[in-house]
Amino acid sequence: EIVLTQSPGTLSLSPGERAALSCRASQAVSTAYFAWYQQKPGQAPRLLISGASNRAPNIPDRFGVSGSGTDFTLAIDGLEPEDFAVYYCQQSGDSPPTFGQGTRVEIK
Amino acid sequence: EVQLVESGGGLVEPGGSLRLSCAASGFTFSDFTMIWIRQTPGAGLAWVSSITSGGDYVDYAQSLKGRFTVSRDNARNAVYLQMNRLRGEDTGVYYCARGPRFGLNSFSPYWGPGILVSVSS
Repeated sequence: EIVLTQSPGTLSLSPGERAALSCRASQAVSTAYFAWYQQKPGQAPRLLISGASNRAPNIPDRFGVSGSGTDFTLAIDGLEPEDFAVYYCQQSGDSPPTFGQGTRVEIK
Repeated sequence: EVQLVESGGGLVEPGGSLRLSCAASGFTFSDFTMIWIRQTPGAGLAWVSSITSGGDYVDYAQSLKGRFTVSRDNARNAVYLQMNRLRGEDTGVYYCARGPRFGLNSFSPYWGPGILVSVSS
């Protein structure tokens, strides 16, 4: 199975700063089958972006993605208070679908 | 509005069984693959099982084959997860999610709130 490794484990930033979250795959993944989720305490993960750069409804454009093959990045330009959460990457192009272990973005 | 609501969780002793249900509304249920995902302290988020729209094809995480069974009732807009011979490491929150129209797996834009399963004596 494809293992997704996210880094860093925790990112401590202040509101307004830029966050860059990394997800590295053990094998190449098609961009079309790659996604990022946000999870807040007590809630289910929420799809943020899928594919090359398809934002889910109501996801602001300060969230963006880049990368291909085995290295993917989620960037958040200008952190808002509601953005402090845990973020997961997922690949669904190879069975079984797999998730990264998560990156926590916390307030510095 | 798409809604998914899980039920059937709770506390069960090791070796016991539980049947989770997921009630769906707000979309044509019979058009979509449905997916179970769990979040456990040990493994984090992990895909559990998928079942295609007509129930013809199912798939399971390798480690769960033989213990978990997924099924669906399109007349009742519901998907189920029968979990047998439960172990402590099965403890976690179980989510149902809507999958693609075709195929077994994809990213999931719609998730239920999740249901807690605790396996303990």
